[in-house]
Order: sequence, then C-alpha cells, then structure tokens
Amino acid sequence: QVQLQQWGAGLLKPSETLSLTCAIYDESYAGSLSGYYWSWIRQPPGKGLEWIGEINHSGSTNYNPSLKSRVTISLDTSKNQFSLKLSSVTAADTAVYYCARDLGSASDYWGQGTLVIVSS
Amino acid sequence: QSALTQPASVSGSPGQSITISCTGTSSDVGGYNYVSWYQQHPGKAPKLMIYDVSNRPSGVSNRFSGSNSGNTASLTISGLQAEDEADYYCSSYTRSSTYVFGTGTKVTVL
Repeated sequence: QVQLQQWGAGLLKPSETLSLTCAIYDESYAGSLSGYYWSWIRQPPGKGLEWIGEINHSGSTNYNPSLKSRVTISLDTSKNQFSLKLSSVTAADTAVYYCARDLGSASDYWGQGTLVIVSS
Repeated sequence: QSALTQPASVSGSPGQSITISCTGTSSDVGGYNYVSWYQQHPGKAPKLMIYDVSNRPSGVSNRFSGSNSGNTASLTISGLQAEDEADYYCSSYTRSSTYVFGTGTKVTVL
C-alpha cells in the first residue's frame, strides 16, 4: 500500500515562494522512488485540474510550459520525499495542490491535497 | 498547452449508460495511447479510473471503460449508479513530454 503525505505553508503573500513537500510511504519495499515519475497537480477552487510537472528517480524533470519559469521540482531520495517550489506567486496560484505517483502515463496514488491561498 | 475539451455536464438515470468525450489534437490525444480518466468526488483527491486509453486499475469496476478514435477519447459508464455522480477529468500525454487535463465533466445521476 502506497501513501503520499504532503505538507507546506497554506497562506502566502503575493511575490512569495510556495513550498510543498510530499513524503512517500510504501509498505511493499524500500527504495520506493525508483521506477516512477512523481508529479504535482493543482486545482483552483471550483475549477479543473492543472498539471504542474514531474520528476523521476534520477532527477529528470518535465514542467508545464506555462509555469516552467517559476517551478522547481526536486527529489530527496534519502528521505523518500519530493518537493515543489513555485516562485513569485499571485492570487492566480491559489489552489489545492496535489502530489501524485505516476504509473506510466497516469497518476495512481495521490496525496490528500493542500490548499494554498495567496492573499495580501 | 490548451486543456482538452470535455462536455461541462452529462446526466443519466440509474442503470443507463453514459459516455463522456475528451477532444484534443494530434499532438496529444490523437498522437499517443496515453489517455487516462479520473473521478473526483467533492472535497476528495482524484481517483484513477482508466489509464492508457482503456485499461482499468485493480479495484475499478468493469462498468467503466475507455476508448479513443482520432483526436477524441471517451469514457463510458454502464449501469449508472448513484455513487458514480462526480466530476470526471481526462488527461493525455503530449508531444512536449508534458501532460494536459481536460476541462472536466460533471456527471449527474437523475
């Protein structure tokens, strides 16, 4: 059974940097980062899902072109965690942010979601 | 990248079948067999229902099926049940090595 537990600051001011971390708990075996991509996805209140980006076990990343200049996704294999940083946030970045594990081309396990509000 | 196009809402009576479409381009839906579908109940994280166009993860009811034709993918829910009432999103791999979600469809069980 795989569980993703995420956390991070829920209230930011415009121009600050959003920072979220997702911890991976996998009962089946250690080294659970290998063989998968790990993603971040967000959902503004009342709106649809938006793919932010992904990282694999070797640190290779892919980002949504519309966010690429502000996004960094990183991996800490020693802690079985991966993180999202989004710089220069505005009110438009207010959303529930999800971390997820990618099984090939789909996300099969999701974190619980973190609501991040950007407000002055 | 533009969101894939889904109908805003689809409804059906219990026991009926409904189909949700997901229209993209040859750079995403039409170019790869990497379309997935997610179910999302209010206040909950999305749940994977279909991956790689037509494959069901373990534990997902066989009432859910997926297909594609050209630049349009489809999710069919047969034997509609009350618990199927939720939002549904498609997603596709793209030529840019990224992913794009659909606009979302609200399914109502009448």
